[in-house]
Amino acid sequence: EAGVTQFPSHSVIEKGQTVTLRCDPISGHDNLYWYRRVMGKEIKFLLHFVKESKQDESGMPNNRFLAERTGGTYSTLKVQPAELEDSGVYFCASSQGQGIGYTFGSGTRLTVV
Amino acid sequence: GESVGLHLPTLSVQEGDNSIINCAYSNSASDYFIWYKQESGKGPQFIIDIRSNMDKRQGQRVTVLLNKTVKHLSLQIAATQPGDSAVYFCAENIGQGAQKLVFGQGTRLTINP
Repeated sequence: EAGVTQFPSHSVIEKGQTVTLRCDPISGHDNLYWYRRVMGKEIKFLLHFVKESKQDESGMPNNRFLAERTGGTYSTLKVQPAELEDSGVYFCASSQGQGIGYTFGSGTRLTVV
Repeated sequence: GESVGLHLPTLSVQEGDNSIINCAYSNSASDYFIWYKQESGKGPQFIIDIRSNMDKRQGQRVTVLLNKTVKHLSLQIAATQPGDSAVYFCAENIGQGAQKLVFGQGTRLTINP
């Protein structure tokens, strides 16, 4: 089966611009998660979708970040306007049910200059 | 070779030796723990997991030990190979099921030929 796919793999944007990251989970996985790793620090939770609903968005840093999962399939994470501190690697993961089996994508490396 | 995770984020061992990577977790209510391996340019890859009702679990060349008394987790890799070189993260699950993972800082393991 195809894994979790993230696009783009790299993005370099200027401060103040908008960037949209996309995640395609494994087909049939209802649970979709966004995480990010900034400045070489630990990987931190951003939010969790169950199908199209936001189950937990407690990790979203501020209102410049907007995640959507229309139709419960792929998800997008938009950063608008981007700031320098948003630079990092954004990971998406999916799982079929709760309990086991997070599968991570390869991540999107975002650089804000 | 052995690391204390947060205090020694790098560990070098000779090929064929055993390695131990340590991790201290924060939440005594965590019920599920996972070790991930991350290679350059890739997302975290599941290695092994353990539930809080166990204190040891073995996989192929890997063993996870859980000490709930001191909130300590370790990953033992036997007969290390060059392909084991990567950053290793421990993660604890907060909440029921794999809903939200809290990651440790990570330890970079380097296998010397």
